[in-house]
Amino acid sequence: GENVEQHPSTLSVQEGDSAVIKCTYSDSASNYFPWYKQELGKGPQLIIDIRSNVGEKKDQRIAVTLNKTAKHFSLHITETQPEDSAVYFCAARGYGGATNKLIFGTGTLLAVQP
Amino acid sequence: SAVISQKPSRDICQRGTSLTIQCQVDSQVTMMFWYRQQPGQSLTLIATANQGSEATYESGFVIDKFPISRPNLTFSTLTVSNMSPEDSSIYLCSVEGRQVNTEAFFGQGTRLTVV
Repeated sequence: GENVEQHPSTLSVQEGDSAVIKCTYSDSASNYFPWYKQELGKGPQLIIDIRSNVGEKKDQRIAVTLNKTAKHFSLHITETQPEDSAVYFCAARGYGGATNKLIFGTGTLLAVQP
Repeated sequence: SAVISQKPSRDICQRGTSLTIQCQVDSQVTMMFWYRQQPGQSLTLIATANQGSEATYESGFVIDKFPISRPNLTFSTLTVSNMSPEDSSIYLCSVEGRQVNTEAFFGQGTRLTVV
């Protein structure tokens, strides 16, 4: 089945700097890759996603890139702000069994220092 | 996006008891899922809640411990039975739409502490 690895586990940046979180996946059949932001005491919030028919997608300060050949995808946050501080999870949709299920990475705790 | 209401938001329970968590969505959705998130960990899928039939459980999770109901397209419950301190986790409801590879949205979670 699908396996998703995520790095780094923690990331500290200065306000205004960029942050990059990387994920690799194992199942070449996966074709949907969302990113979630989870603030303390809240459920995961979908912030951006990418499908395998595109290589990059942007939404204001957030972008995601996908390299299908290497089976990795990355989240890029530019001009970071203190409110970007949270845990970020990547995921890949794997195929198997009765359902197409999301497999999550282990998470990255991002701390933006003011 | 769907609006997902999950109740209770948190609870402290005695070991050996059971807790039922409710998930209500504001629109009809095809897929509903239940996840567990242990402290400081990632999300692990418990089961897919199927409307009108038995839930589909992932490896390591069984119906006797985590019975699930889904009587219609907008509502599901997860029961954590015969709880022990190891069941202390956040339990999350997730929904997806009708089309293939649509986005998945999560409720705010139920923070369960078993003492």
